[in-house]
Amino acid sequence: GAVVSQHPSWVICKSGTSVKIECRSLDFQATTMFWYRQFPKQSLMLMATSNEGSKATYEQGVEKDKFLINHASLTLSTLTVTSAHPEDSSFYICSARSTSGETQYFGPGTRLLVL
Amino acid sequence: AQSVSQHNHHVILSEAASLELGCNYSYGGTVNLFWYVQYPGQHLQLLLKYFSGDPLVKGIKGFEAEFIKSKFSFNLRKPSVQWSDTAEYFCAVRGRSGNTPLVFGKGTRLSVIA
Repeated sequence: GAVVSQHPSWVICKSGTSVKIECRSLDFQATTMFWYRQFPKQSLMLMATSNEGSKATYEQGVEKDKFLINHASLTLSTLTVTSAHPEDSSFYICSARSTSGETQYFGPGTRLLVL
Repeated sequence: AQSVSQHNHHVILSEAASLELGCNYSYGGTVNLFWYVQYPGQHLQLLLKYFSGDPLVKGIKGFEAEFIKSKFSFNLRKPSVQWSDTAEYFCAVRGRSGNTPLVFGKGTRLSVIA
């Protein structure tokens, strides 16, 4: 199946710093990428939908100025958590859908811990 | 708005027992339905999906699911579970029109004991 990678797989940072997470579709072109957040023992909550070359669409309650999403190419989307705080600590998962397919493929996730 | 409801939070079974995990969805249109599995420490993997046609779909590792349109349900089944099936299972739905994202249920944790 299609492969989606994320980098880094985990990151620890100090409160107030910014963290960038990369999501890449390795063997297909993804016109649409999704960013999810998963709290311990809970389901995936959609944060935003990004389409290549356009602004991301954020879900209600997600601050677009705090979670900056860039989808500059058909194989790369980035999520930047700006001025991170301990409550931003979570598991962030990206997902990509190919131009032709209807299946979403998921990355391995990035665990963020803000101290 | 779309929503997915998974009835069981945690299911504990002995090896060789049969499994059925419930999933109901709410959506005002035609949908595609999915089951994903997340093994401990690993990322989400697609178990099976339903787009159209035969409502009984077979997935990997002996799993199957049946779409019952009248009940808005897509329950996951396996005749005989193994210890290695211990994982978190997520039901998800996506509207067919437009560029809609997957919406997930809260997940069901399956623990299989020897």
